[in-house]
Amino acid sequence: ILNVEQSPQSLHVQEGDSTNFTCSFPSSNFYALHWYRWETAKSPEALFVMTLNGDEKKKGRISATLNTKEGYSYLYIKGSQPEDSATYLCASLQGGRRALTFGSGTRLQVQP
Amino acid sequence: DGGITQSPKYLFRKEGQNVTLSCEQNLNHDAMYWYRQDPGQGLRLIYYSQIVNDFQKGDIAEGYSVSREKKESFPLTVTSAQKNPTAFYLCASSDAYNEQFFGPGTRLTVL
Repeated sequence: ILNVEQSPQSLHVQEGDSTNFTCSFPSSNFYALHWYRWETAKSPEALFVMTLNGDEKKKGRISATLNTKEGYSYLYIKGSQPEDSATYLCASLQGGRRALTFGSGTRLQVQP
Repeated sequence: DGGITQSPKYLFRKEGQNVTLSCEQNLNHDAMYWYRQDPGQGLRLIYYSQIVNDFQKGDIAEGYSVSREKKESFPLTVTSAQKNPTAFYLCASSDAYNEQFFGPGTRLTVL
């Protein structure tokens, strides 16, 4: 079983703060890295799918970077809002395994 | 509307009983997946299917079985051999290795 690690496990920030989380994954046989947002009482929704080393993706105030050589990805949220409160999951797809391996997630709570 | 449906939302089962969780998608996706979530843990892969009439074991397949007779449907049976079946179960589908789309989940409780 592949090891996909996320840190921190949970995070409390104030509205307006910027924050970032880390996802680490095996750098060998890398194929793709996914980020999902999972709000309470809803289904997980995809934020980004990244495949190339150095990839940077952005959606509104949320952005992500990818370093496949060292096996990590960062997710950044600029000016956090209460509606950003959710669990953020990353998942890695490695060659030879035709399914994602998920990390345990970072739970973000944004206080108004 | 296109999407994934899971039923039921809540399911209660007596020890020793088999139970089947439904997952249907109308997104025309080839691949479908079953995950289990326990408190404080991420999503763990139970089974997945890349194409009709074919499926593979995930990381925690023991005590579970699946079928993929139709592209739209990927039911999961939790058998009496599953030692600790109480959990939240999520189904997902995708087009090849692109983003996955998730259903609303089924919470299974063994009494």
